[in-house]
Amino acid sequence: DIQLTQSPSFLSASVGDRVTITCRASQGISSYLAWYQQKPGKAPKLLIYGASNLQSGVPSRFSGSGSGTEFTLTISSLQPEDFATYYCQQLNSYPLTFGGGTKVEIK
Amino acid sequence: QVQLQESGPGLLKPSGTLSLTCAVSGDSISSNYWWSWIRQPPGKGLEWIGEIFSGTTKYNPSLESRVTIAVDKSRNQFSLILSSVTAADTAVYYCARKSRGELRSMEYWGQGTLVTVSS
Repeated sequence: DIQLTQSPSFLSASVGDRVTITCRASQGISSYLAWYQQKPGKAPKLLIYGASNLQSGVPSRFSGSGSGTEFTLTISSLQPEDFATYYCQQLNSYPLTFGGGTKVEIK
Repeated sequence: QVQLQESGPGLLKPSGTLSLTCAVSGDSISSNYWWSWIRQPPGKGLEWIGEIFSGTTKYNPSLESRVTIAVDKSRNQFSLILSSVTAADTAVYYCARKSRGELRSMEYWGQGTLVTVSS
């Protein structure tokens, strides 16, 4: 199985901060990586697919980059509605796997 | 727009069988997508259970011996059956639609349904 390691697992930040979350894969996954945002009691919401493609309707302050084994999700200017947990997911090979999550909280 | 809605019993006894349905609207269950199940134990991360496309199924090896996913075309829905459940199967269960091809992802998700396994 491909393991995805997200860092940090917890992040405290202020509104307006630039935030970067890293996802490392245990083996190469090309660009078959997606990022999701999840708020308490809600289903995950797709933000980024194909490592760097912004899902329709998602604000442009979100961006993704990387390929192979190292990926990043960046929020250029954190907004109040961005406080949530973020997950990466690899769709390169079965079984599909998710990272452990990064919880972004208000400083 | 595409909507998915999970349904099924919220409480099960250990050793019982979990049976959930995901009703799809706004798309045909026969369209060019994988139909997936994912779960999330309370306070924990996401675990992919399995998916189905055009009669082909893929399962998480950690659950494969207990899982069956099937499609009901007449009702435009798909189902999850998980046998011999234990407390470790307590989770919110989500269904999702996964796109195929180079830019695949899970764009649409159901709201989730909590299943508790307890005697």
